[in-house]
Order: sequence, then C-alpha cells, then structure tokens
Amino acid sequence: AQTVTQSQPEMSVQEAETVTLSCTYDTSESDYYLFWYKQPPSRQMILVIRQEAYKQQNATENRFSVNFQKAAKSFSLKISDSQLGDAAMYFCAYRSPNTGNQFYFGTGTSLTVIP
Amino acid sequence: DAEITQSPRHKITETGRQVTLACHQTWNHNNMFWYRQDLGHGLRLIHYSYGVQDTNKGEVSDGYSVSRSNTEDLPLTLESAASSQTSVYFCASSAGRGQVAYNEQFFGPGTRLTVL
Repeated sequence: AQTVTQSQPEMSVQEAETVTLSCTYDTSESDYYLFWYKQPPSRQMILVIRQEAYKQQNATENRFSVNFQKAAKSFSLKISDSQLGDAAMYFCAYRSPNTGNQFYFGTGTSLTVIP
Repeated sequence: DAEITQSPRHKITETGRQVTLACHQTWNHNNMFWYRQDLGHGLRLIHYSYGVQDTNKGEVSDGYSVSRSNTEDLPLTLESAASSQTSVYFCASSAGRGQVAYNEQFFGPGTRLTVL
C-alpha cells in the first residue's frame, strides 16, 4: 500500500502571511492523483485542491497552491495571505488508479493562524 | 443539492453491544467508504464498496462489517463494541468509472462514537 507522510504535526502562521505544509508519498506508480483536504473544528472534510500526476503544472485555487515535485515524490501546500478561517487540520491524500478509488491519507498537520 | 449524511452524529455505547452507524448519500455514487479517524493516525480505511452487493475489507476491518443493499446506503456495524473502537467515523463516497467527478471523495460530517 502507498504511504503518505506529513512530517509536521503542527504549524503556525501569522495572519496575512504565507505558510507551506509538507507532504511526501511513496509509490511505484507513474499515474495517480494527490489531494489536500481541510478539516476545521466542525470535523467536515473539505477538498482544498487536487493535482493529477501527469500534469506538470502546479494546481492553484485562489490563495491555495501546490508545489508538486514528482521525482522527489513531494506535494506541498502553500497558503498565501493566511486568514483566521484557514485554521484547521490539513490532510494530504494519495489516490491510486490501480486500487480502485482508494485514498491513502497522511496523519495530518494542525495549522494555527495567529491574529 | 446532493449530499452525504451520517447518523447518529454522537453515540455512547457499552462494551459488547452491537452498534450500527448509518451512511446515506444522494450523489448516486457507486463507491462508498468507511474510515476511522484517530489522533496520530489520520484516516484509516475500514471497509469499502464499489456497488450494490459488493463489499471489501480495508486496513482496519477487524470487528466491523458492512452491507450494500442499494446505491444510497452503506451501514457500518460494530458486532461487539470494544473500547479500542472509540473514534470518529467518516463515511465517504465517490463516483465510479464513467461517472462525473471520478477522482474526488466526498465526506459525511462524521460520527463520534464512545465505547465505555
């Protein structure tokens, strides 16, 4: 099974600043999908951004962008102009095309936004 | 709007009791999943289904069972609840091949289960 590693259990950022959350994964597959999910205190899992491995261009969604380094098997999330509402647990996830639609999740990074 | 719901949202039960957590989705998705979330472990897959009458074991399936009698529902049963099964449980669904939004999983709001 694929493994997803988030090496930062906790991170903090000043409001309006930029923060980068790290994610690495282990795979022998060449085609796959990567995701970042946000889990605020409400517990609801919210999709933040997705990246297809065959696309070289990094995905962006408003203030959220990724740095996808396929050779390094790295998929970091950058949050620009951080807002108080960004405070949440963030999970990195890997989807394998070869195991149906199974997702493999990292252990999460808890992000605190300091006013 | 399509959605995925879970019930109950909170449940307290005693060791040894049978417990069933409900999951209902109106996305018409073929695929449904159950995860448990524990501190330090992220989300771990319990069981999943790719369609009616199809069920499969995930990473942490011991002590749990599921059945899929229709597209919309995938109830999760704890046959004899144990304290180690105290956790937050998430149901998720995703489209099957050929359906729209094939790649993404949509999550329910979660059920917090406490086994005393």
